[in-house]
Amino acid sequence: KQEVTQIPAALSVPEGENLVLNCSFTDSAIYNLQWFRQDPGKGLTSLLLIQSSQREQTSGRLNASLDKSSGRSTLYIAASQPGDSATYLCAVPSGAGSYQLTFGKGTKLSVIP
Amino acid sequence: NAGVTQTPKFQVLKTGQSMTLQCAQDMNHNSMYWYRQDPGMGLRLIYYSASEGTTDKGEVPNGYNVSRLNKREFSLRLESAAPSQTSVYFCASSSTDRVFNEQFFGPGTRLTVL
Repeated sequence: KQEVTQIPAALSVPEGENLVLNCSFTDSAIYNLQWFRQDPGKGLTSLLLIQSSQREQTSGRLNASLDKSSGRSTLYIAASQPGDSATYLCAVPSGAGSYQLTFGKGTKLSVIP
Repeated sequence: NAGVTQTPKFQVLKTGQSMTLQCAQDMNHNSMYWYRQDPGMGLRLIYYSASEGTTDKGEVPNGYNVSRLNKREFSLRLESAAPSQTSVYFCASSSTDRVFNEQFFGPGTRLTVL
């Protein structure tokens, strides 16, 4: 059974700092990995999807990497801003060829002005 | 282009009452999903529909039924609500491409069962 772990559960950083969020998964037979952002009381917003053939994907100040062999992904946020404060979730397919996603429990990020 | 929409946004039910949560997407996606999100438990899949005309159970299907009404709409029904079904419910959709299966979520329905 696929399991996804996100460490740390919470992170507080001063504005302007670069930071890394971690995601690990147990079953590496995946086609892709997706990172989401969730603001309090809101739905999930898709940030990045990395295909298994890719090693990195970038969108603005966000950079996500994927190492299938080690079962790890990182989300790098450059020059953090207070508006980046949210919970960040990663998700991977529950099994080879599965449409179902298994989610981590998220990292709650607070960027202090 | 509204993406994924859900109704209602909030609902309070008494134990034993029934209700249907509605979801619609305008992205021409084949696949649709229903999740629930609970503190400490994260997001868990209730049911999904890989394509129009098909539905399958997810991780936590007990107490729920679904209907894929057409390609755009996917509803979730609680026949006899229980306090354990108090949760936030999210609908999502994606293409059928397994490699590029990016899921897009609706804003959620906050359900309280008394």
